[in-house]
Amino acid sequence: AQSVSQHNHHVILSEAASLELGCNYSYGGTVNLFWYVQYPGQHLQLLLKYFSGDPLVKGIKGFEAEFIKSKFSFNLRKPSVQWSDTAEYFCAVNGGQTGANNLFFGTGTRLTVIP
Amino acid sequence: SQTIHQWPATLVQPVGSPLSLECTVEGTSNPNLYWYRQAAGRGLQLLFYSVGIGQISSEVPQNLSASRPQDRQFILSSKKLLLSDSGFYLCAWGQGRYIQYFGAGTRLSVL
Repeated sequence: AQSVSQHNHHVILSEAASLELGCNYSYGGTVNLFWYVQYPGQHLQLLLKYFSGDPLVKGIKGFEAEFIKSKFSFNLRKPSVQWSDTAEYFCAVNGGQTGANNLFFGTGTRLTVIP
Repeated sequence: SQTIHQWPATLVQPVGSPLSLECTVEGTSNPNLYWYRQAAGRGLQLLFYSVGIGQISSEVPQNLSASRPQDRQFILSSKKLLLSDSGFYLCAWGQGRYIQYFGAGTRLSVL
């Protein structure tokens, strides 16, 4: 069965620090990978997605994620975080051509950025 | 643009009372609709999804049910709430392989 692990439950950074949030998945076939973000008081929203092609994916607000197939990972990165990046971040995965009903979410990582 | 309306935002209900949470979508037709429950430290759990009117698939056997009486309306219900039904419920819309939009959520407290 598919599963997604986000080992960092809470990350605290100062502004301008670099960010890397880990995401590892368990699935043997072709995967689609996603990061969602929930800012305080706002809807959960899509940050970036990977289906195929270039394993380095760029999303909104300067975020990027790299798919490393050999490591079953899809870590989220940002070179310099801002206070406004404070949010909860969820990694998600499904397989190949399956639909969103087969989307598995991680438990989330809460990011707190200190001004 | 697409929008999801979900209400109420918060709800406090006694054990054994019925439940009805409503979700409507604007700006799209024939969407795939989803109900998730989000528990602290446990991520998002898919409860139900629907690919069309009257078509409901249940992912987790439980005290809840869902209905889709109209193309852009998705309802989560219960005849008798349990304490364990407390949580944060999210409606979502997706087409294809992922969820495009989530609603604002309903925080349900069963006392």
